[in-house]
Amino acid sequence: AQTVTQSQPEMSVQEAETVTLSCTYDTSESDYYLFWYKQPPSRQMILVIRQEAYKQQNATENRFSVNFQKAAKSFSLKISDSQLGDAAMYFCAHTRSGYALNFGKGTSLLVTP
Amino acid sequence: DADVTQTPRNRITKTGKRIMLECSQTKGHDRMYWYRQDPGLGLRLIYYSFDVKDINKGEISDGYSVSRQAQAKFSLSLESAIPNQTALYFCATQAGVGLRETQYFGPGTRLLVL
Repeated sequence: AQTVTQSQPEMSVQEAETVTLSCTYDTSESDYYLFWYKQPPSRQMILVIRQEAYKQQNATENRFSVNFQKAAKSFSLKISDSQLGDAAMYFCAHTRSGYALNFGKGTSLLVTP
Repeated sequence: DADVTQTPRNRITKTGKRIMLECSQTKGHDRMYWYRQDPGLGLRLIYYSFDVKDINKGEISDGYSVSRQAQAKFSLSLESAIPNQTALYFCATQAGVGLRETQYFGPGTRLLVL
């Protein structure tokens, strides 16, 4: 079975600072995809960033970037220049090609002024 | 207009009642999914469908059934609702294998079973 572990139930960051959310996963597949989703209080699931396992280069989307360590099965999310609007629940997810997502339990991010 | 819609957005029902949650999409995707979210547990897969004639159980399908009426519509039914089915339910769509794998979520349905 595929499992995704987010070891930080809650994190806090000050506005304009940088924070890193951790995620590890377990898979025996060589071809898979990793995602970070954001869930604000509106409860909408919003895709933040995605990474294809076959790509060595870490994905970036504006202030969001990942540190993908394939051998260690680690996929952390770095948020730079944190903003109040970044406060949300963040979910790490994994899928092998053509299958449903496996989600971690989430990390609640608090952003303080 | 939203690409993936869910109705109703909120629902309160009583134990033993039958209830249907509906999902519609305009993205033209073949694959559709139903997930359930409980506090502290993340999202878990209930059912998924790769096309109209291909429906599969997920890890927590007991007590649920689904219907794929058309490519664009995927409904989730609770035949006899029970309180531990109180949760937030999400529908998601996906273009298919090899097409970037990203799933797009609806806004969710919050269900309370009394």
